[in-house]
Amino acid sequence: DAGVTQSPTHLIKTRGQQVTLRCSPKSGHDTVSWYQQALGQGPQFIFQYYEEEERQRGNFPDRFSGHQFPNYSSELNVNALLLGDSALYLCASSLASGGPGAISYEQYFGPGTRLTVT
Amino acid sequence: AQSVTQPDIHITVSEGASLELRCNYSYGATPYLFWYVQSPGQGLQLLLKYFSGDTLVQGIKGFEAEFKRSQSSFNLRKPSVHWSDAAEYFCALFSGGYNKLIFGAGTRLAVHP
Repeated sequence: DAGVTQSPTHLIKTRGQQVTLRCSPKSGHDTVSWYQQALGQGPQFIFQYYEEEERQRGNFPDRFSGHQFPNYSSELNVNALLLGDSALYLCASSLASGGPGAISYEQYFGPGTRLTVT
Repeated sequence: AQSVTQPDIHITVSEGASLELRCNYSYGATPYLFWYVQSPGQGLQLLLKYFSGDTLVQGIKGFEAEFKRSQSSFNLRKPSVHWSDAAEYFCALFSGGYNKLIFGAGTRLAVHP
């Protein structure tokens, strides 16, 4: 049973550039959440996707956007990169049993993508 | 406000010694609480979770945690630490209103031989 996978593992970008990170959820899961973990800090919630729509969003600017595909995989896009965007980006998948209003308690995390902005 | 506090940034223990990592939370309703472990350069692995019922929950790798509503705490314990337990540990609270996890800042555990 494949767990959550993310690509790429590492990425180096220059300020002002754009980046796309990818996530495939655990088999059977339909909800994907993205978190940003800056060095020495706990993960911070960016947003969550369910049924190809953004369901919840944390306190992140519009430069951060996402997408979910019919196969439940997801992308995180960050435009106009800043030095402060350097972080480990974690994808978590869960199962929202019970429909759109359901709660997705148990979240399984991928290994993350380390983004460095120079 | 919903929040998680891990008072200890860094803890060092000797191999074979017991361990307790502290976690305090602030939440207006019954909390759903988690402990995750993160090895260097890795993602987060779920150690254990508390949803309801028995306040002492067992997890993987010999870890357990006790939920104490009166103290708003969910401390993680292990009776005998192994060198392989050296990692960063995160306590997290599930925010039902936002369908997201709220993490503490983490506690880095070092294990001396």
